[in-house]
Amino acid sequence: AQTVTQSQPEMSVQEAETVTLSCTYDTSESDYYLFWYKQPPSRQMILVIRQEAYKQQNATENRFSVNFQKAAKSFSLKISDSQLGDAAMYFCAYRANYGQNFVFGPGTRLSVLP
Amino acid sequence: DTGVSQNPRHKITKRGQNVTFRCDPISEHNRLYWYRQTLGQGPEFLTYFQNEAQLEKSRLLSDRFSAERPKGSFSTLEIQRTEQGDSAMYLCASGGGTGELFFGEGSRLTVL
Repeated sequence: AQTVTQSQPEMSVQEAETVTLSCTYDTSESDYYLFWYKQPPSRQMILVIRQEAYKQQNATENRFSVNFQKAAKSFSLKISDSQLGDAAMYFCAYRANYGQNFVFGPGTRLSVLP
Repeated sequence: DTGVSQNPRHKITKRGQNVTFRCDPISEHNRLYWYRQTLGQGPEFLTYFQNEAQLEKSRLLSDRFSAERPKGSFSTLEIQRTEQGDSAMYLCASGGGTGELFFGEGSRLTVL
């Protein structure tokens, strides 16, 4: 079975600084998708960024970028120029290409310090 | 379209009672998911629909849980004979052609 691990239960970053959240996963599949979702306090989860496993180029969305290391099964999220609104729980998620079940990690709580 | 809508947002019930949650997905999405999330944890998969067909159900899901999606539109999740361990946030998400999930705000269940 696929599993997703986030080894950092909590992280903090100074406003305007850069922070990296870690995620590793375990799968025997070669074709899959990886996602980072953000869940602000008492708000719904929203997609931050996605990566297709067949793409070698790391995905980027404005201040958010990933470091996808397929051989190492690692998928970290880098947030640049952190803003107070980035404070939230961040979940890493995996979905096999031919499956529909999304597997989520336990999450990392990010605090942004003014 | 205002996104995925879930009702009720909060439900407090006594142990042994039945509860039902409703999810209205984004209208053009044919995939609908139910997840359960406990405090400080990631969402745990419960079940998945493609249109009106329930294609996958977690082995962890008790027989007290049932979900339906008549006509492939809204979905309901019913929990019978609730237990204190059922207390959690129940999340609904829908998906279309892009492969990603769009979540509702969740229905929080508290079983006393």
